[in-house]
Amino acid sequence: DGGITQSPKYLFRKEGQNVTLSCEQNLNHDAMYWYRQDPGQGLRLIYYSQIVNDFQKGDIAEGYSVSREKKESFPLTVTSAQKNPTAFYLCASSMGDPLNTEAFFGQGTRLTVV
Amino acid sequence: AQSVTQPDIHITVSEGASLELRCNYSYGATPYLFWYVQSPGQGLQLLLKYFSGDTLVQGIKGFEAEFKRSQSSFNLRKPSVHWSDAAEYFCAVVVYSGNTPLVFGKGTRLSVIA
Repeated sequence: DGGITQSPKYLFRKEGQNVTLSCEQNLNHDAMYWYRQDPGQGLRLIYYSQIVNDFQKGDIAEGYSVSREKKESFPLTVTSAQKNPTAFYLCASSMGDPLNTEAFFGQGTRLTVV
Repeated sequence: AQSVTQPDIHITVSEGASLELRCNYSYGATPYLFWYVQSPGQGLQLLLKYFSGDTLVQGIKGFEAEFKRSQSSFNLRKPSVHWSDAAEYFCAVVVYSGNTPLVFGKGTRLSVIA
């Protein structure tokens, strides 16, 4: 089945540690996105990538890093510089043509700092 | 910059009653418009989308939405709510320029009572 897979579903991090969230898609989509979700805040864009080996900062990129070495993969690293990393993280992808511009989402990763 | 406003943070309706969730966007041109639904701890599922043409669009699960250019609105409606519709609903917009990210409202949480 085609779709977006995020792993792990739950992740615990000690303060000062970097952690990497995985996002893989087999939809052959060009674009991939990372959003952060906090209660009452909606979804805020962290980073996005329109093509392989290229990515742009979103609204809240500080303390995060990404890579896009393969079309199907867009991992997100939450660094120790991110002061409040506890949140629900959602990865999405889109085909990008004018009639199919909606995003498809993974099931999310809940990150908790302990 | 484009923005999306969902004025209602939380709405409670009785099962079988009608539902309308409000969404207003701020942008000079007509954007692409979407409604997504999210169950607790899950990713987002697309309910419906508007690109152009007929201003009343039908979606999955019996939902529909009407685009009103004069009011910059894209309200979501359902004639008869089921208990399984309890979830969080997000309105989103994008101005197509090639794989640009969705901009989300802060969401409306729907509770359904018997």
